Amino acid sequence: NAGVTQTPKFRVLKTGQSMTLLCAQDMNHEYMYWYRQDPGMGLRLIHYSVGEGTTAKGEVPDGYNVSRLKKQNFLLGLESAAPSQTSVYFCATGTILSNEQYFGPGTRLTVT
Amino acid sequence: SQQGEEDPQALSIQEGENATMNCSYKTSINNLQWYRQNSGRGLVHLILIRSNEREKHSGRLRVTLDTSKKSSSLLITASRAADTASYFCATDKYSGAGSYQLTFGKGTKLSVIP
Repeated sequence: NAGVTQTPKFRVLKTGQSMTLLCAQDMNHEYMYWYRQDPGMGLRLIHYSVGEGTTAKGEVPDGYNVSRLKKQNFLLGLESAAPSQTSVYFCATGTILSNEQYFGPGTRLTVT
Repeated sequence: SQQGEEDPQALSIQEGENATMNCSYKTSINNLQWYRQNSGRGLVHLILIRSNEREKHSGRLRVTLDTSKKSSSLLITASRAADTASYFCATDKYSGAGSYQLTFGKGTKLSVIP
């Protein structure tokens, strides 16, 4: 089992460009989360989903959109990238059985 | 906003020594979790302690929780070079439909020197 995978691993964007980050899980977990991690900071929650077709805002949602059309996939979109969105993005999953979260390896995004 | 704040920010010890990291938080919690992050990797769950528990052990890990002081500590005994990583505490908040949001601290960077 691959667990939680993220695509791509690295990406460089110019200001104003758009892109989509893909998170895929084969753990059959109900919950999925997108975080960003900036230097010297802990993770901050961007958006999350408690099930297929549902999404909700986290702590820092501005400038991002998400979709969860299938249970196993959670997409994070940047419509018009800004340098402030340079960060490492982590996807995580969770289950109704536990408060523990399972993290993907991360996507390093640089916006110039 | 950061709910948890770890202390110290960085810690360097010799292999075989014990490492203690502390976490303070601001509001009441359901549970507190500790995660490890190796350089360039995602976070890995280490241990969860519930608000009605005071101490929990898992292998070489010992976690304490003092809800009156709103603080927790993570002790790693007999440290190894492989323990070199950043350690984060996370408090959770119920967000509906059985799901919990985690709020992470800034982390303690542990270096274990062989």
